[in-house]
Amino acid sequence: NAGVTQTPKFRILKIGQSMTLQCAQDMNHNYMYWYRQDPGMGLKLIYYSVGAGITDKGEVPNGYNVSRSTTEDFPLRLELAAPSQTSVYFCASRGLPGGPVGEQYFGPGTRLTVT
Amino acid sequence: DQQVKQNSPSLSVQEGRISILNCDYTNSMFDYFLWYKKYPAEGPTFLISISSIKDKNEDGRFTVFLNKSAKHLSLHIVPSQPGDSAVYFCAAKLNEKLTFGTGTRLTIIP
Repeated sequence: NAGVTQTPKFRILKIGQSMTLQCAQDMNHNYMYWYRQDPGMGLKLIYYSVGAGITDKGEVPNGYNVSRSTTEDFPLRLELAAPSQTSVYFCASRGLPGGPVGEQYFGPGTRLTVT
Repeated sequence: DQQVKQNSPSLSVQEGRISILNCDYTNSMFDYFLWYKKYPAEGPTFLISISSIKDKNEDGRFTVFLNKSAKHLSLHIVPSQPGDSAVYFCAAKLNEKLTFGTGTRLTIIP
């Protein structure tokens, strides 16, 4: 199993450009999550999904969009990139039945710079 | 409004000694607390958890203590090893979502 994979690893965008961060998991997990981590800060939840076709906003959803057409994939779309979106983005997944603990499995991250 | 706080950005500990990482929270509805470890250029990895109805959970060198009345939890690592050098995040779970603290960078000195 590859676990949770993310592409690209690094990306530099100009202000106003758009891009899609890819996330895939091969563990047949129902739940998937997108986080961003700014320097010196914890991870903040952007969007999450409880299954194919179902998504919901997290703590910091503005400027992002998601879709979940399959169990495996959960892409994150930035439509009009802004410098405030410079961050490291992590995708995570959680399976059911996974018990009540709620542990999530994380991908390696995408480092995005918007200039 | 930071619901999960880690007030120590960094901690240095001698190899073989005990490392104690602390975390405070404000929401009494959290039902599980988790610790994640993160190496540079990698995603966080799950380390250990504790239910809100327990006060201690142990897994090898790692023990997590929960004090509900103080809304405080701590992670003890004994003995500390060089490979434990990493950033440690405390997280609290509510309704299938995790809220993370800002992390503590632990450095183990050989």
